[in-house]
Amino acid sequence: RKEVEQDPGPFNVPEGATVAFNCTYSNSASQSFFWYRQDCRKEPKLLMSVYSSGNEDGRFTAQLNRASQYISLLIRDSKLSDSATYLCAVRSSGGSYIPTFGRGTSLIVHP
Amino acid sequence: SAVISQKPSRDICQRGTSLTIQCQVDSQVTMMFWYRQQPGQSLTLIATANQGSEATYESGFVIDKFPISRPNLTFSTLTVSNMSPEDSSIYLCSVEFPGWEDTQYFGPGTRLTVL
Repeated sequence: RKEVEQDPGPFNVPEGATVAFNCTYSNSASQSFFWYRQDCRKEPKLLMSVYSSGNEDGRFTAQLNRASQYISLLIRDSKLSDSATYLCAVRSSGGSYIPTFGRGTSLIVHP
Repeated sequence: SAVISQKPSRDICQRGTSLTIQCQVDSQVTMMFWYRQQPGQSLTLIATANQGSEATYESGFVIDKFPISRPNLTFSTLTVSNMSPEDSSIYLCSVEFPGWEDTQYFGPGTRLTVL
């Protein structure tokens, strides 16, 4: 099993839709979790950290489920500009503490 | 917010040649990292570059193929040596800023095509 797994998609949704992505991780000692957004031919940019209690930033909500070892990203009222690839990143305690990235989930929001 | 820049932004190279990629940060950072991202794939860490010490390479990457320099706290280079078409990829540097060591921030990337 890969350390961090994401459904590559693409998720193809109309404007205004609500869409959710999951990211599963295999290391139960994982401590920090992030969602990055990557536009085509651009670098990944931090979208939001994921806190144990869940957190929200405008239309975006991130949640952590430690029991089932996954994080989720919910996007409400999708905009055309939300079209991108969403990467999750997971950091574990001990070792080099360097994050492991998922392959990313592609989102296409159409008119 | 700090700026991370990379040069070149893209290049097309011949098999057997080498290319050195530069990463410049406009503030001092302790940790710098080099990643590779092949089409449709996740980010793969090549090595960690700390100032004043040898780079630490991940499994599958060796210094002879990817020599790294880290002469100061704002600059690093990655060289892709004796290139083959399999080295075609996007190469990204990333940094962790003091006080924000939990999070990585990426440079704009270098898109390399090897013919």
